[in-house]
Amino acid sequence: QLQLQESGSGLVKPSQTLSLTCAVSGGSISSGDYSWNWIRQPPGKGLEWIGYIYHSGSTYYNPSLKSRVTMSVDRSKNQFSLKLTSVTAADTAVYYCARFLLGGEYAFDIWGQGTTVSVSS
Amino acid sequence: QSALTQPASVSGSPGQSITISCTGTNSDIGVYNYVSWYQQHPGKAPKLMIYNFINRPSGVSNRFSGSKSGNTASLIISGLQAEDEADYYCNSYTSRIWMFGGGTKLTVL
Repeated sequence: QLQLQESGSGLVKPSQTLSLTCAVSGGSISSGDYSWNWIRQPPGKGLEWIGYIYHSGSTYYNPSLKSRVTMSVDRSKNQFSLKLTSVTAADTAVYYCARFLLGGEYAFDIWGQGTTVSVSS
Repeated sequence: QSALTQPASVSGSPGQSITISCTGTNSDIGVYNYVSWYQQHPGKAPKLMIYNFINRPSGVSNRFSGSKSGNTASLIISGLQAEDEADYYCNSYTSRIWMFGGGTKLTVL
């Protein structure tokens, strides 16, 4: 069974860059049947989709975050990454990576456990 | 981008049925068959419960079902159990992005 595991900086200073990685195990990130996504959840609030990346490296970001987001994929390490620049306290959240089914189901079927990122000086 | 509207909270007694609505527009729910529902227990990652409005992934209880009417999607939970107490989120495609509803807290009385 495929699993996702987030890792990265848990505490980031304002104006700096948040960096997270999602390791994929039990399956290959190179399948064309999926996109690989980042979703976040501020404390006590709802879910916000950040964007996706395909195994080819093609990306699409939520327009609300597009100017600050970069996603990348490393097929050799079977992982994908998120960078969010110029962070503020509003970026404090649990960040999830999730697999999205493209073959007709169109849903986030597998999620990582989430990693908490706090923005504070 | 418009928001998907969910009630903040719903409640029901064990054994009862409840419905959680998710109201969008004719730019999202009204035109795309890509609505999914997620269950989230405190401190846990969301779990896929329904996709494409009405389909259940393998392993999800058949007490969970979905429907669509116009610009509104609904999640129906029958035979409520204590373990169903959680937050529920709908999600829909619109204009190349995936948008979540604000979430509904289900309390089992």
